[in-house]
Amino acid sequence: DAGVIQSPRHEVTEMGQEVTLRCKPISGHNSLFWYRQTMMRGLELLIYFNNNVPIDDSGMPEDRFSAKMPNASFSTLKIQPSEPRDSAVYFCASSSGTGGSETQYFGPGTRLLVL
Amino acid sequence: DQQVKQNSPSLSVQEGRISILNCDYTNSMFDYFLWYKKYPAEGPTFLISISSIKDKNEDGRFTVFLNKSAKHLSLHIVPSQPGDSAVYFCAASGGGSNYKLTFGKGTLLTVNP
Repeated sequence: DAGVIQSPRHEVTEMGQEVTLRCKPISGHNSLFWYRQTMMRGLELLIYFNNNVPIDDSGMPEDRFSAKMPNASFSTLKIQPSEPRDSAVYFCASSSGTGGSETQYFGPGTRLLVL
Repeated sequence: DQQVKQNSPSLSVQEGRISILNCDYTNSMFDYFLWYKKYPAEGPTFLISISSIKDKNEDGRFTVFLNKSAKHLSLHIVPSQPGDSAVYFCAASGGGSNYKLTFGKGTLLTVNP
């Protein structure tokens, strides 16, 4: 079975450029999460979708960040314009329920470097 | 304000011995706790969990203990194997946002042959 798929795996860009990260959740999962991992803050939840609807975006750092889930099999996280402090590993995760007791399955992550 | 804390950034143990990873939390509304394991260049993978109605959950070599009064949980790995070398994250959920996992910063476990 394919797990959560993320692309690209690595992204290097220059400050001011637009960055788009992509995620394909596990088929049949109805919850999708975007996380960011940094040395300073660890793993933080950015946004949570349930049945393709954004439920909680309180973790999105600022207006430069946006996320969409146009259908059950695809989500994007966009940063525009990107800044060096956005450098981090971004993970997408999916689960089959809505509660914290449902196991979240993580993708391999996208390592973003903004120069 | 870290609600889930893993105070040991790293731990080194010998193969065959017990590994004990610790985690403290501050939010008394947390009612479900999980441990994730992460290898380099991979995403975290679920390892074991425990509900607040229990104080112990065991799965093979892995046991999680929960002490609610102390707001403390620990993961025991017995016996430790070199393949267990990874970063271990403690996570918690509950209260008003049941879907949200709050993670600790992780502990790097190294099991030496």
